[in-house]
Amino acid sequence: DTGVSQDPRHKITKRGQNVTFRCDPISEHNRLYWYRQTLGQGPEFLTYFQNEAQLEKSRLLSDRFSAERPKGSFSTLEIQRTEQGDSAMYLCASRDGSSRSNEQFFGPGTRLTVL
Amino acid sequence: DQQVKQNSPSLSVQEGRISILNCDYTNSMFDYFLWYKKYPAEGPTFLISISSIKDKNEDGRFTVFLNKSAKHLSLHIVPSQPGDSAVYFCAATSNDYKLSFGAGTTVTVRA
Repeated sequence: DTGVSQDPRHKITKRGQNVTFRCDPISEHNRLYWYRQTLGQGPEFLTYFQNEAQLEKSRLLSDRFSAERPKGSFSTLEIQRTEQGDSAMYLCASRDGSSRSNEQFFGPGTRLTVL
Repeated sequence: DQQVKQNSPSLSVQEGRISILNCDYTNSMFDYFLWYKKYPAEGPTFLISISSIKDKNEDGRFTVFLNKSAKHLSLHIVPSQPGDSAVYFCAATSNDYKLSFGAGTTVTVRA
Protein backbone atom coordinates (compact mmCIF):
# COMPACT_ATOMS: atom_id res chain seq x y z
CA ASP A 1 0.00 0.00 0.00
CA THR A 2 1.58 3.28 -1.06
CA GLY A 3 -0.91 5.62 0.60
CA VAL A 4 -0.44 7.83 3.63
CA SER A 5 -0.22 5.79 6.83
CA GLN A 6 -0.69 6.90 10.41
CA ASP A 7 0.12 5.21 13.68
CA PRO A 8 -1.53 4.52 16.01
CA ARG A 9 -5.07 4.49 14.68
CA HIS A 10 -6.51 4.95 18.15
CA LYS A 11 -5.04 6.35 21.35
CA ILE A 12 -6.69 6.61 24.75
CA THR A 13 -4.80 8.51 27.38
CA LYS A 14 -5.33 10.18 30.72
CA ARG A 15 -5.33 13.92 31.10
CA GLY A 16 -1.83 15.25 31.64
CA GLN A 17 -0.05 12.51 29.74
CA ASN A 18 2.06 13.07 26.64
CA VAL A 19 1.22 11.40 23.34
CA THR A 20 3.04 11.13 20.02
CA PHE A 21 1.59 10.29 16.63
CA ARG A 22 3.43 9.26 13.50
CA CYS A 23 2.64 9.92 9.86
CA ASP A 24 4.31 8.29 6.85
CA PRO A 25 3.47 10.23 3.70
CA ILE A 26 3.37 8.93 0.16
CA SER A 27 6.94 8.36 -1.02
CA GLU A 28 8.56 11.42 -2.54
CA HIS A 29 5.76 13.75 -1.49
CA ASN A 30 7.67 16.74 -0.25
CA ARG A 31 4.72 18.46 1.42
CA LEU A 32 3.15 17.15 4.59
CA TYR A 33 0.20 18.58 6.51
CA TRP A 34 -1.44 17.95 9.88
CA TYR A 35 -5.11 18.62 10.48
CA ARG A 36 -7.43 18.10 13.43
CA GLN A 37 -11.07 17.15 13.11
CA THR A 38 -13.63 17.30 15.90
CA LEU A 39 -17.13 15.86 15.84
CA GLY A 40 -19.44 17.60 13.40
CA GLN A 41 -16.69 19.76 11.94
CA GLY A 42 -14.42 19.61 8.95
CA PRO A 43 -10.66 19.15 9.31
CA GLU A 44 -8.81 22.21 10.61
CA PHE A 45 -5.27 23.00 9.54
CA LEU A 46 -2.58 22.64 12.19
CA THR A 47 0.79 22.79 10.48
CA TYR A 48 2.63 22.25 7.20
CA PHE A 49 6.07 21.00 6.18
CA GLN A 50 7.92 21.34 2.94
CA ASN A 51 10.62 18.72 3.14
CA GLU A 52 11.99 19.07 6.68
CA ALA A 53 11.09 22.74 7.09
CA GLN A 54 7.99 23.65 9.09
CA LEU A 55 6.61 26.58 7.12
CA GLU A 56 3.29 27.35 8.76
CA LYS A 57 1.66 26.81 12.15
CA SER A 58 -1.96 27.50 12.98
CA ARG A 59 -3.05 29.44 16.05
CA LEU A 60 -4.69 26.16 17.05
CA LEU A 61 -1.23 24.72 17.66
CA SER A 62 -0.60 25.79 21.24
CA ASP A 63 2.81 25.50 22.86
CA ARG A 64 1.83 22.03 24.09
CA PHE A 65 1.91 20.83 20.49
CA SER A 66 5.07 20.18 18.52
CA ALA A 67 5.58 18.64 15.12
CA GLU A 68 8.73 17.49 13.41
CA ARG A 69 9.80 16.06 10.11
CA PRO A 70 13.50 15.54 10.71
CA LYS A 71 14.58 13.92 7.46
CA GLY A 72 11.83 15.20 5.21
CA SER A 73 10.10 11.83 5.21
CA PHE A 74 7.89 10.75 8.15
CA SER A 75 6.53 13.26 10.63
CA THR A 76 5.61 13.14 14.30
CA LEU A 77 3.07 15.21 16.19
CA GLU A 78 3.49 15.36 19.96
CA ILE A 79 0.99 16.70 22.44
CA GLN A 80 2.29 17.37 25.93
CA ARG A 81 0.12 17.52 29.05
CA THR A 82 -2.97 16.44 27.17
CA GLU A 83 -6.32 18.03 27.99
CA GLN A 84 -9.83 16.72 27.36
CA GLY A 85 -10.25 19.36 24.67
CA ASP A 86 -7.47 17.67 22.69
CA SER A 87 -9.77 14.72 21.99
CA ALA A 88 -10.16 14.66 18.22
CA MET A 89 -9.17 12.89 15.04
CA TYR A 90 -5.67 13.92 13.92
CA LEU A 91 -5.24 13.66 10.18
CA CYS A 92 -2.06 13.73 8.15
CA ALA A 93 -1.96 14.53 4.45
CA SER A 94 0.74 14.78 1.82
CA ARG A 95 1.18 15.98 -1.72
CA ASP A 96 3.77 16.40 -4.40
CA GLY A 97 4.63 20.08 -4.46
CA SER A 98 5.55 19.93 -8.15
CA SER A 99 2.09 18.66 -9.12
CA ARG A 100 -0.31 21.11 -10.74
CA SER A 101 -3.13 19.62 -8.73
CA ASN A 102 -3.70 20.96 -5.22
CA GLU A 103 -5.06 17.62 -4.12
CA GLN A 104 -3.82 16.45 -0.74
CA PHE A 105 -3.86 12.74 0.04
CA PHE A 106 -5.07 11.91 3.53
CA GLY A 107 -4.19 9.11 5.88
CA PRO A 108 -6.79 7.23 7.96
CA GLY A 109 -6.19 9.43 10.99
CA THR A 110 -5.38 8.86 14.65
CA ARG A 111 -8.34 9.14 16.99
CA LEU A 112 -7.27 10.56 20.35
CA THR A 113 -9.44 10.22 23.43
CA VAL A 114 -8.32 12.05 26.56
CA LEU A 115 -10.01 10.82 29.72
CA ASP B 1 -13.59 32.19 11.42
CA GLN B 2 -15.38 29.79 9.12
CA GLN B 3 -14.30 30.75 5.61
CA VAL B 4 -15.98 27.76 3.96
CA LYS B 5 -19.56 26.93 4.82
CA GLN B 6 -21.75 23.98 4.04
CA ASN B 7 -25.15 25.00 5.34
CA SER B 8 -26.89 21.67 4.81
CA PRO B 9 -25.69 19.14 7.38
CA SER B 10 -27.54 16.30 5.68
CA LEU B 11 -29.11 15.27 2.40
CA SER B 12 -31.28 12.25 1.62
CA VAL B 13 -31.79 11.21 -1.98
CA GLN B 14 -33.29 8.25 -3.76
CA GLU B 15 -31.01 5.94 -5.70
CA GLY B 16 -30.76 7.00 -9.33
CA ARG B 17 -31.69 10.63 -8.66
CA ILE B 18 -29.42 13.65 -8.56
CA SER B 19 -27.62 14.75 -5.40
CA ILE B 20 -26.75 18.44 -5.18
CA LEU B 21 -24.39 19.61 -2.45
CA ASN B 22 -23.74 23.29 -1.88
CA CYS B 23 -20.83 25.24 -0.49
CA ASP B 24 -20.23 28.95 0.11
CA TYR B 25 -16.98 30.73 0.84
CA THR B 26 -16.03 34.17 2.05
CA ASN B 27 -12.33 34.50 1.17
CA SER B 28 -11.96 36.00 -2.30
CA MET B 29 -8.32 34.90 -2.35
CA PHE B 30 -9.28 31.24 -2.69
CA ASP B 31 -8.20 30.04 -6.12
CA TYR B 32 -8.75 26.29 -5.99
CA PHE B 33 -11.64 24.26 -4.68
CA LEU B 34 -11.93 20.58 -3.88
CA TRP B 35 -14.53 18.08 -2.78
CA TYR B 36 -13.63 15.20 -0.51
CA LYS B 37 -15.65 12.18 0.49
CA LYS B 38 -15.29 10.52 3.87
CA TYR B 39 -16.47 7.17 5.14
CA PRO B 40 -16.52 6.42 8.89
CA ALA B 41 -13.13 5.48 10.34
CA GLU B 42 -11.31 6.53 7.16
CA GLY B 43 -9.53 9.67 6.09
CA PRO B 44 -11.05 12.00 3.48
CA THR B 45 -10.70 10.83 -0.12
CA PHE B 46 -10.32 13.31 -2.95
CA LEU B 47 -13.28 13.38 -5.32
CA ILE B 48 -13.04 16.29 -7.74
CA SER B 49 -11.60 19.79 -7.92
CA ILE B 50 -11.91 23.03 -9.84
CA SER B 51 -9.63 25.97 -10.44
CA SER B 52 -10.97 29.50 -10.09
CA ILE B 53 -10.34 30.09 -13.79
CA LYS B 54 -13.04 27.57 -14.66
CA ASP B 55 -16.74 27.44 -13.91
CA LYS B 56 -17.34 23.73 -14.41
CA ASN B 57 -15.43 20.48 -14.12
CA GLU B 58 -16.84 17.06 -14.81
CA ASP B 59 -15.56 13.60 -13.95
CA GLY B 60 -17.90 10.72 -14.63
CA ARG B 61 -20.95 11.01 -12.41
CA PHE B 62 -19.51 14.02 -10.56
CA THR B 63 -19.67 17.63 -11.71
CA VAL B 64 -18.53 20.67 -9.79
CA PHE B 65 -19.83 24.14 -10.63
CA LEU B 66 -18.18 27.36 -9.49
CA ASN B 67 -19.87 30.77 -9.34
CA LYS B 68 -17.14 33.19 -8.34
CA SER B 69 -19.34 36.25 -8.22
CA ALA B 70 -21.60 34.54 -5.70
CA LYS B 71 -18.69 32.81 -3.96
CA HIS B 72 -20.59 29.57 -4.32
CA LEU B 73 -19.85 26.11 -5.58
CA SER B 74 -21.88 22.97 -5.90
CA LEU B 75 -21.29 19.29 -6.46
CA HIS B 76 -23.73 17.30 -8.56
CA ILE B 77 -23.79 13.51 -8.40
CA VAL B 78 -25.80 11.85 -11.16
CA PRO B 79 -27.07 9.21 -10.79
CA SER B 80 -26.72 8.71 -7.06
CA GLN B 81 -25.71 5.22 -5.94
CA PRO B 82 -25.85 3.53 -2.51
CA GLY B 83 -22.04 3.64 -2.32
CA ASP B 84 -22.22 7.42 -2.46
CA SER B 85 -23.59 7.49 1.09
CA ALA B 86 -20.85 9.30 3.01
CA VAL B 87 -19.88 12.69 4.39
CA TYR B 88 -18.84 15.19 1.73
CA PHE B 89 -16.50 18.05 2.52
CA CYS B 90 -15.96 21.15 0.47
CA ALA B 91 -12.46 22.61 0.73
CA ALA B 92 -10.67 25.66 -0.62
CA THR B 93 -7.12 26.89 -0.81
CA SER B 94 -5.13 29.94 -1.85
CA ASN B 95 -1.43 30.14 -2.66
CA ASP B 96 -1.36 26.40 -2.75
CA TYR B 97 -0.91 25.25 0.77
CA LYS B 98 -3.43 24.65 3.54
CA LEU B 99 -6.98 23.57 2.88
CA SER B 100 -9.92 25.26 4.58
CA PHE B 101 -12.82 22.87 4.99
CA GLY B 102 -16.54 23.20 5.46
CA ALA B 103 -18.33 21.26 8.19
CA GLY B 104 -19.51 18.59 5.79
CA THR B 105 -22.80 17.27 4.42
CA THR B 106 -23.91 13.73 5.20
CA VAL B 107 -25.45 12.15 2.13
CA THR B 108 -27.75 9.16 2.44
CA VAL B 109 -28.80 7.40 -0.74
CA ARG B 110 -32.03 5.45 -0.28
CA ALA B 111 -32.63 2.29 -2.28
